[in-house]
Amino acid sequence: EAAVTQSPRNKVAVTGGKVTLSCNQTNNHNNMYWYRQDTGHGLRLIHYSYGAGSTEKGDIPDGYKASRPSQENFSLILELATPSQTSVYFCASGETGGQDTQYFGPGTRLLVL
Amino acid sequence: QQQVRQSPQSLTVWEGGTTVLTCSYEDSTFNYFPWYQQFPGEGPALLISILSVSDKKEDGRFTTFFNKREKKLSLHIIDSQPGDSATYFCAGSNTNTGKLTFGDGTVLTVKP
Repeated sequence: EAAVTQSPRNKVAVTGGKVTLSCNQTNNHNNMYWYRQDTGHGLRLIHYSYGAGSTEKGDIPDGYKASRPSQENFSLILELATPSQTSVYFCASGETGGQDTQYFGPGTRLLVL
Repeated sequence: QQQVRQSPQSLTVWEGGTTVLTCSYEDSTFNYFPWYQQFPGEGPALLISILSVSDKKEDGRFTTFFNKREKKLSLHIIDSQPGDSATYFCAGSNTNTGKLTFGDGTVLTVKP
């Protein structure tokens, strides 16, 4: 079974502060993804990566940066958090080549005050 | 313009009944369509998927149908159970990119 873990699970941040969300996968998957999920909306892709050292912009990258220092780890960075970034963030991993099942972590609930 | 649309937004069915969820998409390059199931407090998990070369795929009580001409797909759940109560997302992707575009989801409640 795929294993994707996220930390922290819950986070309260202040407006203007820096927030780092971490994701670790033990599946040796090449691809990793960061999504946000808001009430009434599906998952929207923020950033993704095809392997260590690579990051790509997704559909809603503004206000976010990503870092993939290793095959296992993928971080999402909010340099200057804003209340509009209050959301639930999901990390996922998957194999290269399309038709890949994406395995999701349990999510991080972020509240920006 | 929303690339993947789902309907209904929410649905309640009785235990033992048949659930039908529908999805439409815009991007004609999409050729892979997974359905994900999400329980409260958890991440989504793959339920069933279909490639555009097929028109039907079945897995137990779950069947997905694909209509390429109309750019539509559907998920049928027969003998619906209370444990099926969850949010269901359809998604589409071009297998060359591996990027999924999700619909907004359907909240399913199965009443005993």
